[in-house]
Amino acid sequence: DIQMTQSPSSLSASVGDRVTITCQASQGISNFLNWYQQKPGKAPKLLIYDSSDLETGVPSRFSGSGSGTEFTFTISSLHPEDVATYYCQQYDNLPYTFGQGTKLEIK
Amino acid sequence: QVQLQESGPGLVKPSQTLSLTCTVSGGSISSENYYWSWIRQPAGKGLEWIGRINRSGSTDYNPSHKSRVTMSVDTSKNQLSLKLSSVTAADTAVYFCARSLGMFDSWGQGTLVTVSS
Repeated sequence: DIQMTQSPSSLSASVGDRVTITCQASQGISNFLNWYQQKPGKAPKLLIYDSSDLETGVPSRFSGSGSGTEFTFTISSLHPEDVATYYCQQYDNLPYTFGQGTKLEIK
Repeated sequence: QVQLQESGPGLVKPSQTLSLTCTVSGGSISSENYYWSWIRQPAGKGLEWIGRINRSGSTDYNPSHKSRVTMSVDTSKNQLSLKLSSVTAADTAVYFCARSLGMFDSWGQGTLVTVSS
């Protein structure tokens, strides 16, 4: 299985801050990397697919980049409603695997 | 806008079989060339992909559960099903169904299944 390692595991930032989360794959996965946002008690929501493509309807303050084994997810200006846990997920190989999550809080 | 809804018993006894159904609305399983996945999440923990099925019934399972998992599709009812046998407390989780083409772009709300005697 491809292991996905996210960092940090938790993060506290202020409204308006730029927030960056990284995801490292245990082997190269090209750009087959997606990012999800999960709020408490809710299903995950797809934000970014294929490393950098913004899902329809997702605010442009969310972005992603990377290929191979190193990926980055960025919120350009943190909003209060962005409090959530964020997950990366690879689909280069089965089984699909997720990172362990990054819990984002507001300072 | 496709919608997914999981249903099934919220409590299953150890060693028994967990059975869940996912009903798809707003789109037809048989007319869409997607895979349909099951994903679970233990309380306070991360996401684990269990497996997927397509409209033809072709399946791929996570090797970690392969011996216990069976997925099926009923296109006449627009439903998918998941069966997980010989459950233990470690199978207690919220179970989601999701539409997938690599990315999971539509999810059900999830259903909590507790394994306990």
